[in-house]
Amino acid sequence: AQSVSQHNHHVILSEAASLELGCNYSYGGTVNLFWYVQYPGQHLQLLLKYFSGDPLVKGIKGFEAEFIKSKFSFNLRKPSVQWSDTAEYFCAVTGNAGNNRKLIWGLGTSLAVNP
Amino acid sequence: DGGITQSPKYLFRKEGQNVTLSCEQNLNHDAMYWYRQDPGQGLRLIYYSQIVNDFQKGDIAEGYSVSREKKESFPLTVTSAQKNPTAFYLCASTTTGLRSYNEQFFGPGTRLTVL
Repeated sequence: AQSVSQHNHHVILSEAASLELGCNYSYGGTVNLFWYVQYPGQHLQLLLKYFSGDPLVKGIKGFEAEFIKSKFSFNLRKPSVQWSDTAEYFCAVTGNAGNNRKLIWGLGTSLAVNP
Repeated sequence: DGGITQSPKYLFRKEGQNVTLSCEQNLNHDAMYWYRQDPGQGLRLIYYSQIVNDFQKGDIAEGYSVSREKKESFPLTVTSAQKNPTAFYLCASTTTGLRSYNEQFFGPGTRLTVL
């Protein structure tokens, strides 16, 4: 079955701490991978995405994620978080072609950064 | 500005009443989606449409209905048959072009409260 698992449901960090949010997926075939972020009171927006090529992708606001195919993982990282990173983060996967356009979503990770 | 609009932002209804949530996009996207977001449950797909006059049930379609008469519009009706309608509803769209990679763009959401 197709699924996405986000390991951490709630994370609390102090400013300047490093962040890593885990994401593992179960999906047959070629995948496209996404991290979306939902800041308090704002739209859900794309943080970064992987389609092909370099497995280390960089997104907005200093975030990056690494696609490790052998581990079916796409973990999100940031070396030094800020209070403004407080948000909910969602990992998602989809197929690469044809009618397979639905995103499979993880349950989300709520990140709180203390100033 | 191109984007997705959802209205209203907040909606209150009495139990037993049907209510229709609006979603409009001017991105010229072919595919549109409705999700329901509840705390700790991520995004769950209600309905999606890949082309005008066609739509498919998602994972939690019971108690909901949609129409897709125009490319730009994908309204969602929450019927009285939906047992737990109070939730945050998100509309999204994506292009079905060759290089879309299925990245979805989101509206600001409608928070529905059934009293």
